[in-house]
Amino acid sequence: AQSVTQPDIHITVSEGASLELRCNYSYGATPYLFWYVQSPGQGLQLLLKYFSGDTLVQGIKGFEAEFKRSQSSFNLRKPSVHWSDAAEYFCAVGARSGGGADGLTFGKGTHLIIQP
Amino acid sequence: KAGVTQTPRYLIKTRGQQVTLSCSPISGHRSVSWYQQTPGQGLQFLFEYFSETQRNKGNFPGRFSGRQFSNSRSEMNVSTLELGDSALYLCASSPDGGQAFFGQGTRLTVV
Repeated sequence: AQSVTQPDIHITVSEGASLELRCNYSYGATPYLFWYVQSPGQGLQLLLKYFSGDTLVQGIKGFEAEFKRSQSSFNLRKPSVHWSDAAEYFCAVGARSGGGADGLTFGKGTHLIIQP
Repeated sequence: KAGVTQTPRYLIKTRGQQVTLSCSPISGHRSVSWYQQTPGQGLQFLFEYFSETQRNKGNFPGRFSGRQFSNSRSEMNVSTLELGDSALYLCASSPDGGQAFFGQGTRLTVV
């Protein structure tokens, strides 16, 4: 069965500092990987996705993620965080290309706190 | 282009009642999926509909059901509500092969 682990429940970062959120997955075939962000009271917004090809993918809001097959990881990074980045971040693995919403498996999420 | 619309946004029901939640996907999207989000279990996949047919189903009891109409709008129904059904229910639509877009969710509280 597929699974996603986000080891950090909470992360606190100073505004302007760099950020890395960790994600490890378990999947039997080639994974399709996603990072979503959720602000309080809101739905999920897709930050970026990986299907194949270049293992470093760029997303919206200045985020990027690197797929490392040998480590089964898909860590999210941002060089300089802004106070507006405070939110809940979810890593997900899916069985179908294109980000189709059928059967995405999500991690438990990482709550990002930004210190002024 | 309008996003995914879920109604109602908030709902309070009593144990034993049933509830119906609605989701209007983005125009042109034929796939609609439902997820349950709780603090304890996180985001869990309920089911997916495509062209009025259930295509995929998560591990939830039969009290949870859904359907999709010819215009791709979808409803999910929960019968015999339990306290543990209190959650944020999220709907997502995609054109099947495209990016999944999530609605803002329906917050269901069972008392």
